[in-house]
Amino acid sequence: QSVLTQPPSASGTPGQRVTISCSGSSSNIGSNTVNWYQQLPGTAPKLLIYSNNQRPSGVPDRFSGSKSGTSASLAISGLQSEDEADYYCAVWDVSLNVWVFGGGTKLTVL
Amino acid sequence: QLQLQESGPGLVKPSETLSLTCSVSGGSISSSSYYWDWIRQPPGKGLEWIGNIYNSGSTYYNPSLKSRVTISADTSKNQFSLKLSSVTAADTAVYYCARHGRAGIAVPGNAFDIWGQGTMVTVSS
Repeated sequence: QSVLTQPPSASGTPGQRVTISCSGSSSNIGSNTVNWYQQLPGTAPKLLIYSNNQRPSGVPDRFSGSKSGTSASLAISGLQSEDEADYYCAVWDVSLNVWVFGGGTKLTVL
Repeated sequence: QLQLQESGPGLVKPSETLSLTCSVSGGSISSSSYYWDWIRQPPGKGLEWIGNIYNSGSTYYNPSLKSRVTISADTSKNQFSLKLSSVTAADTAVYYCARHGRAGIAVPGNAFDIWGQGTMVTVSS
């Protein structure tokens, strides 16, 4: 059971907008900034969003992040087939003193 | 551009010690701007943070693994290493090394921005 709760799956058709939620608590999301990672099949995770809503260089602006209270969300607009991947949220937990990850959301592009 | 590469045995016997090395190219692990981390992912499951090393010697470990984990650095080789003792089948996973920037110093800060490709370690007799 992960400290951060994500839906196990999400789906959408090409061109649609999809959101993935990440629910935590006051000791993690409520206290620190949230990062999002994309893991394509058989590859290492890749940083997609950092500090709640910042995109690293090279990440398309179709990807956006937000945070409110103890929850965060990743939005993907203009969905493309290459977006099919697992997505993880992550944050430092000040009570557990550990980086915690969500259980991951498998995004399917129909 | 910075690259990380894990190496080590792919098969470890139960009760023995798992040893992995992460070789860093294109940047120095001596940089005070970054932490150097180990993260693992059991087959078909999510990610688990193991611990990190910074300033070439200071370490921080996941409390759930702390009694079995040692992370060290060899600045002459620009490598850092993971040792996990008394392994069981539950330690079977892909092990990743990664870098994360110190908040307020590096950009992006406080995020794992560069990862190695990962190495699969199976614990089995």
